[in-house]
Amino acid sequence: AQSVTQLGSHVSVSEGALVLLRCNYSSSVPPYLFWYVQYPNQGLQLLLKYTSAATLVKGINGFEAEFKKSETSFHLTKPSAHMSDAAEYFCAVTKRGGGSNYKLTFGKGTLLTVNP
Amino acid sequence: DTAVSQTPKYLVTQMGNDKSIKCEQNLGHDTMYWYKQDSKKFLKIMFSYNNKELIINETVPNRFSPKSPDKAHLNLHINSLELGDSAVYFCASSQEGLAGYNEQFFGPGTRLTVL
Repeated sequence: AQSVTQLGSHVSVSEGALVLLRCNYSSSVPPYLFWYVQYPNQGLQLLLKYTSAATLVKGINGFEAEFKKSETSFHLTKPSAHMSDAAEYFCAVTKRGGGSNYKLTFGKGTLLTVNP
Repeated sequence: DTAVSQTPKYLVTQMGNDKSIKCEQNLGHDTMYWYKQDSKKFLKIMFSYNNKELIINETVPNRFSPKSPDKAHLNLHINSLELGDSAVYFCASSQEGLAGYNEQFFGPGTRLTVL
């Protein structure tokens, strides 16, 4: 079975500080990994994804993540936090469902707050 | 233009009632999903349809019945609502195939409150 664990349900940073949100995965086969963001009272939006090409993946809004097989990690980073980054962040891994469809399995989420 | 839309946005109802949530996507995708997000923000897939065919059916009470009249629509009907059904329900869509890594586009969610 495939799963992801997000370490830290709540991360608080100052504006301009480094953002680091941690995600570790468990998978018996090479995974596809995703980071989604959920702003208050909205649906989820894809930040970036890893699909077995480059291990360093760049996404929207200045975020990036690095796939490290040896550490089974896919941590999300941003050099300088903005107030607008305050949101819930979800790491997810695909798991093949029935037929040709893949099923996203989400972590429990990390709430990022940004202090002025 | 809204890519994935859901109606209603809010739904407040009494225990025992039957209710439906509608979802439409205008992205031309062939796969649609229903997710449930509980009060702790945990997201879990409920159902997935590919070209109107049920593909994924997680361990969901049979009071929940999805219906896909066409590729662009996936509705969720819930019978005999219970307090534990209170949650935010998200519809999503993607263009599937064998790639397995296509982005899922989410709707804005329907907040269901059962009293």
